[in-house]
Amino acid sequence: GAVVSQHPSWVICKSGTSVKIECRSLDFQATTMFWYRQFPKQSLMLMATSNEGSKATYEQGVEKDKFLINHASLTLSTLTVTSAHPEDSSFYICSARTYIAGSGTDTQYFGPGTRLTVL
Amino acid sequence: SQQGEEDPQALSIQEGENATMNCSYKTSINNLQWYRQNSGRGLVHLILIRSNEREKHSGRLRVTLDTSKKSSSLLITASRAADTASYFCATDANDYKLSFGAGTTVTVRA
Repeated sequence: GAVVSQHPSWVICKSGTSVKIECRSLDFQATTMFWYRQFPKQSLMLMATSNEGSKATYEQGVEKDKFLINHASLTLSTLTVTSAHPEDSSFYICSARTYIAGSGTDTQYFGPGTRLTVL
Repeated sequence: SQQGEEDPQALSIQEGENATMNCSYKTSINNLQWYRQNSGRGLVHLILIRSNEREKHSGRLRVTLDTSKKSSSLLITASRAADTASYFCATDANDYKLSFGAGTTVTVRA
């Protein structure tokens, strides 16, 4: 249980185009989803917190008009990188938060990531 | 933003040896979690330790937490080649946002 999927797993696009990445919780409903960005050999940086039915909360320094987040349902959040440029090339990872019975706390389950390359 | 630092940055050990890595953080936390990431893949949740806990075990993993020193350690015993990965600590300051450390890259030689 507690599986999170991302689609696509990798994408190559031309500069100036927009790319949409989907994050789905497959067997649970997620109260909150998170989007992270990871550069090669570096740690994960939180970009935004996404709650179903409300606007995403962006971390300082993250352009909300650049990285559009839509949380359409309790199992789906999408990240759209608008007018992508080479500097947007990165590994984007989502996570979904849920409470697992017996754990005593919420846990985040991570998707496999999407590698975006902008030419 | 990243709260923690991990030490060492990289670790190379022989199969069967133990691997220890440390994580330090700066602010008060609700819990601390350890994750594993294989190259180019997503994160796998390994273990969570709450702020009122000092030690926790899960299989070959042992995690300690010292809130007075704002540090945690992850011990992997009897390492296997399949343990080769990057390991990240992440702190939760009670808002469910995770702040990740820089990670330790572990290579287990057969």
